[in-house]
Amino acid sequence: AQSVTQPDIHITVSEGASLELRCNYSYGATPYLFWYVQSPGQGLQLLLKYFSGDTLVQGIKGFEAEFKRSQSSFNLRKPSVHWSDAAEYFCAVDPMDTGRRALTFGSGTRLQVQP
Amino acid sequence: DTGVSQDPRHKITKRGQNVTFRCDPISEHNRLYWYRQTLGQGPEFLTYFQNEAQLEKSRLLSDRFSAERPKGSFSTLEIQRTEQGDSAMYLCASSLARTGLYEQYFGPGTRLTVT
Repeated sequence: AQSVTQPDIHITVSEGASLELRCNYSYGATPYLFWYVQSPGQGLQLLLKYFSGDTLVQGIKGFEAEFKRSQSSFNLRKPSVHWSDAAEYFCAVDPMDTGRRALTFGSGTRLQVQP
Repeated sequence: DTGVSQDPRHKITKRGQNVTFRCDPISEHNRLYWYRQTLGQGPEFLTYFQNEAQLEKSRLLSDRFSAERPKGSFSTLEIQRTEQGDSAMYLCASSLARTGLYEQYFGPGTRLTVT
């Protein structure tokens, strides 16, 4: 079955430390891939996307993500976390094999940042 | 570009009442999506429109739910005879259906509480 998995429900890092959030997908072909961030009580903001080409993509707020086809992964990274990065992060895929472009989301990873 | 807006932001209703939510997409976007997000989960697709045509409905969308986009601009989502299980955040997103442009932009959501 097609799915998106974010193995880490909750991660705590210290401010200034590096961050990696994991995302794995299970689809027949390479889908379009996205990372969104959601602050409490808010909608989702697009951080970055991968469609094709360079497998390392840069996003807003200093985030980057690397697509690894062999591992069916699209992990999100940031070299130095700021307290304002505390939020919930969602990986999402567009399977591309339908016309509708509806996204399938993982269950999210909640990031806490310690001072 | 004012982004996607949703109204109301919060709605508290009693079980059995009908509620209606409104979404105003980004003005030039021709696709509009509704998602539902329950606590601790990622958003789940409900339905989507291209212009005024409703092209797909998820099996999550029971007969008590109806969505419209009468002039291809704003959309409404109505829930009839609300149940406690309908309590969730209802998110609207829009996108421009054009090759190379697949990002969905989300509104702030309407949080529904059914008592």
